[in-house]
Amino acid sequence: KAGVTQTPRYLIKTRGQQVTLSCSPISGHRSVSWYQQTPGQGLQFLFEYFSETQRNKGNFPGRFSGRQFSNSRSEMNVSTLELGDSALYLCASSLGWVSSHEQYFGPGTRLTVT
Amino acid sequence: AQSVTQLDSQVPVFEEAPVELRCNYSSSVSVYLFWYVQYPNQGLQLLLKYLSGSTLVKGINGFEAEFNKSQTSFHLRKPSVHISDTAEYFCAVSGERLTFGEGTQLTVNP
Repeated sequence: KAGVTQTPRYLIKTRGQQVTLSCSPISGHRSVSWYQQTPGQGLQFLFEYFSETQRNKGNFPGRFSGRQFSNSRSEMNVSTLELGDSALYLCASSLGWVSSHEQYFGPGTRLTVT
Repeated sequence: AQSVTQLDSQVPVFEEAPVELRCNYSSSVSVYLFWYVQYPNQGLQLLLKYLSGSTLVKGINGFEAEFNKSQTSFHLRKPSVHISDTAEYFCAVSGERLTFGEGTQLTVNP
């Protein structure tokens, strides 16, 4: 069974631009979660989607948004990029809700904002 | 609210020595506990999990962890480490969401 895939793996953007990251979950998984990883803040939860509905959201500004499609694939969007948005963005999928199912992580998308 | 504290940010050990990575958690509800490992430029890989039942949990690569409810701890152990175990290790608690500790960098020296 294929694992979680994320595209692109690396991205360089300029301040003020917007970016869209993509995540394809493991086949059969209905929940997708997104995390931001930085050296200073560690791993922080962004949001969780289950069956196309946002089930939970972390403490991030409205510039960070996401969605999930009927095939469980998910995208996250960051608008008006800031230097502090430079991070590794990790996507994880699970069979069901995060609260009761283990998550499987993708390799991440490394975003650099200049 | 829930939180996770990994008590050591860096743990250097020699090859074939035992190692313990410490993790304490707090939560107002019943939780599931996990240890993940992250190798450079990669995502997180699940090492082991505690959902219920036996408090001693065995995982991949020879790692094990013990859930101690009274001390709210979930320490990770390995009796003999290898160079290839060098990585960052994250303890996590799952309540309403998955909350991670700050990570422990394990460095295994020859």
